[in-house]
Amino acid sequence: GAVVSQHPSWVICKSGTSVKIECRSLDFQATTMFWYRQFPKQSLMLMATSNEGSKATYEQGVEKDKFLINHASLTLSTLTVTSAHPEDSSFYICSARGTGDAYGYTFGSGTRLTVV
Amino acid sequence: GENVEQHPSTLSVQEGDSAVIKCTYSDSASNYFPWYKQELGKRPQLIIDIRSNVGEKKDQRIAVTLNKTAKHFSLHITETQPEDSAVYFCAASIGDYKLSFGAGTTVTVRA
Repeated sequence: GAVVSQHPSWVICKSGTSVKIECRSLDFQATTMFWYRQFPKQSLMLMATSNEGSKATYEQGVEKDKFLINHASLTLSTLTVTSAHPEDSSFYICSARGTGDAYGYTFGSGTRLTVV
Repeated sequence: GENVEQHPSTLSVQEGDSAVIKCTYSDSASNYFPWYKQELGKRPQLIIDIRSNVGEKKDQRIAVTLNKTAKHFSLHITETQPEDSAVYFCAASIGDYKLSFGAGTTVTVRA
């Protein structure tokens, strides 16, 4: 079945630094990528949606200059948290959609970000 | 946008009993309703889904029902087992696009 590899699985960074999270579709072409943030014991909140080769569409309240999304190819999308602060600490998870047999939503394994 | 409400937030059942989780959605254009199981620190796993042209779907011990008129759908787990303990999320989407998730239900199955 469709597989999405997400890296890193966890990262600790200092305040003010940037962190890049990668999601790769291993056996299908991800035409659409959804990026979610999940705080402890809460639901998944959609941050942005990106289609390959296009600019991402951000949900209301999500700062696009802080959360940079790149979806330059059909197998790779990245989320960069710029100038991270402790309040950005969260579980970030991607979900990819393809076509045909990969038409469903395939989730990455998530990245636990801790900003100290 | 779509608003999905999920109840209860926590559910404790005796092993072997049934568990029912209910969700309501706001946008009548929603046509895809998946249910996910998420264990701590792991990715959500799709356990069952239903589309708006179907009223009920069953897969072994798990079933989902959809009432389009009332705009609600429910997850039913029968003969619960300890490994069913997890957080369950309902979701809804319009046109198979972005998913809107419910707040989640923490299910605990007591042995």
